[in-house]
Amino acid sequence: GAGVSQSPSNKVTEKGKDVELRCDPISGHTALYWYRQRLGQGLEFLIYFQGNSAPDKSGLPSDRFSAERTGESVSTLTIQRTQQEDSAVYLCASSYRETQYFGPGTRLLVL
Amino acid sequence: DAKTTQPTSMDCAEGRAANLPCNHSTISGNEYVYWYRQIHSQGPQYIIHGLKNNETNEMASLIITEDRKSSTLILPHATLRDTAVYYCIVRGTILGNTGKLIFGQGTTLQVKP
Repeated sequence: GAGVSQSPSNKVTEKGKDVELRCDPISGHTALYWYRQRLGQGLEFLIYFQGNSAPDKSGLPSDRFSAERTGESVSTLTIQRTQQEDSAVYLCASSYRETQYFGPGTRLLVL
Repeated sequence: DAKTTQPTSMDCAEGRAANLPCNHSTISGNEYVYWYRQIHSQGPQYIIHGLKNNETNEMASLIITEDRKSSTLILPHATLRDTAVYYCIVRGTILGNTGKLIFGQGTTLQVKP
């Protein structure tokens, strides 16, 4: 079956611009996670959505980062006024019960 | 969540078993041991998880010690495509919790011909 998909696969932007990253979870998965992975580093948790519950935003690094999810479908991660330190791979994962399945990620480069 | 300790890197000969250790001495009774791997430039891939009993699936086996303070992931016949960073993660049930995965640095497994 179809896995988690993310778009775009690569994004190059200029410092100060806003970017939107998209995640399509596996159909029927109620939970959705965003993570960030800087070059050569492990994954950092950003935000978690579970059904209609309030999201857990505890991992968002600053107020320039926000995310939305409509019901149990698509999610978008928005980074406003991008900075060079935002350059990373942004990974999305979804789960139905306990196990998270990851997408291929969006590689963001801020010049 | 409990922290895990893994060796930074390991080598394995192609066709041989790869045994990747993980220490999680502060694990709680309701926490699972999860293994993921990340092949270069890809998203993490779920391998296996367990609570107390040993587990086996089409990818690997997971051996958890009786005191649950350590575990070993076994790839029975490693291939070159198994070269990746392997992450051992301890996580409680998502019931009432975020269930976020806390990734350490993992073990870089290099499978050599």
